[in-house]
Amino acid sequence: SQTIHQWPATLVQPVGSPLSLECTVEGTSNPNLYWYRQAAGRGLQLLFYSVGIGQISSEVPQNLSASRPQDRQFILSSKKLLLSDSGFYLCAWSVPGINEKLFFGSGTQLSVL
Amino acid sequence: RKEVEQDPGPFNVPEGATVAFNCTYSNSASQSFFWYRQDCRKEPKLLMSVYSSGNEDGRFTAQLNRASQYISLLIRDSKLSDSATYLCVVPGRDNYGQNFVFGPGTRLSVLP
Repeated sequence: SQTIHQWPATLVQPVGSPLSLECTVEGTSNPNLYWYRQAAGRGLQLLFYSVGIGQISSEVPQNLSASRPQDRQFILSSKKLLLSDSGFYLCAWSVPGINEKLFFGSGTQLSVL
Repeated sequence: RKEVEQDPGPFNVPEGATVAFNCTYSNSASQSFFWYRQDCRKEPKLLMSVYSSGNEDGRFTAQLNRASQYISLLIRDSKLSDSATYLCVVPGRDNYGQNFVFGPGTRLSVLP
């Protein structure tokens, strides 16, 4: 069966520090991978998605970046965090095709202070 | 009109009650729809998929009205464990995951 691992679960970082969140998927090949962010009390916002190694599409301008060095690995990064980067970050995967369904990792609660 | 709108809630209902949430969407081309459940500080989990007029799974029933562009979620015999936020998800063009639009969610509290 497919599983998705996301870490760390919580993170407290000072403003201006770098960020690296990692997500890996097991039990499937060539998944579509996604990074979402959820601000407190708000809906999910798609940040990045990837349909293959090295293929990243960005949905919103920001100081974050994403990389997919391996088929089942997706990394979210920042060189300098802002206060507004605080939120709940969720990695997700899907099997490409019509009527895709998203399956989420357990999320990372990021607090930028 | 926003792409996906949901009843704002919160809904506070007693155990055993029947409760229904509504979700309206603007993209008439959408073919499949989803309800996710999200507990506080947890990831959303897929609750139901809706591809035709409706779907039923135990105490949960989802109905789709394409003409009026809304989806509803009905929960019968509410349990304390049903307390959560329910997210309506509507695909955009081509029904691919990168085009999914999440509603803001409806919060449900089932009270003893």
